[in-house]
Amino acid sequence: KAGVTQTPRYLIKTRGQQVTLSCSPISGHRSVSWYQQTPGQGLQFLFEYFSETQRNKGNFPGRFSGRQFSNSRSEMNVSTLELGDSALYLCASRRADRDVFGYTFGSGTRLTVV
Amino acid sequence: AQKVTQAQTEISVVEKEDVTLDCVYETRDTTYYLFWYKQPPSGELVFLIRRNSFDEQNEISGRYSWNFQKSTSSFNFTITASQVVDSAVYFCALNLNRDDKIIFGKGTRLHILP
Repeated sequence: KAGVTQTPRYLIKTRGQQVTLSCSPISGHRSVSWYQQTPGQGLQFLFEYFSETQRNKGNFPGRFSGRQFSNSRSEMNVSTLELGDSALYLCASRRADRDVFGYTFGSGTRLTVV
Repeated sequence: AQKVTQAQTEISVVEKEDVTLDCVYETRDTTYYLFWYKQPPSGELVFLIRRNSFDEQNEISGRYSWNFQKSTSSFNFTITASQVVDSAVYFCALNLNRDDKIIFGKGTRLHILP
């Protein structure tokens, strides 16, 4: 079966712009989480969506937002980009909440802010 | 507070040697889950193992084995007879039963030299 698909794979943006990243979960998975990976901070939780509702949010500024659609696809948006937002953004999906067996990660979107 | 520590930032071994990756975690919760993930250069996080806090049995899967010791809050990972394809970054992670997010360690970059 198809895995978690993240688009685009690579992105270069200018400081001050905004960006939208997309994540298509595994078919049947209703929960989508987002993580930011940087060399300095490592992997950090951004937020999780389940059935179109944000269930949990990490310690990130309000410039980071997300949403989930009725087909479980999710997007995350970063407004007013800063150089420090350059990172690999990983999405993970699972069948349902509290399903600790089911985290499957995508290959990520590598965002570079110049 | 919850935390995962991987003290080894980078390890290099010659092919066919055994190597152990250390992981120490902190939590006051009694129900939690521990994971190991592998991140090859392509970027995706590949799930290796999940262990719940009530199951301290060691596990072996082919060349991989895991040693979970609650008394020392450690969940170490050993690769036996390492191969060049094992070269990657390995993450130890913690998930609390009452939460959705995964708390990752900073990772250990493993180089297997031919």
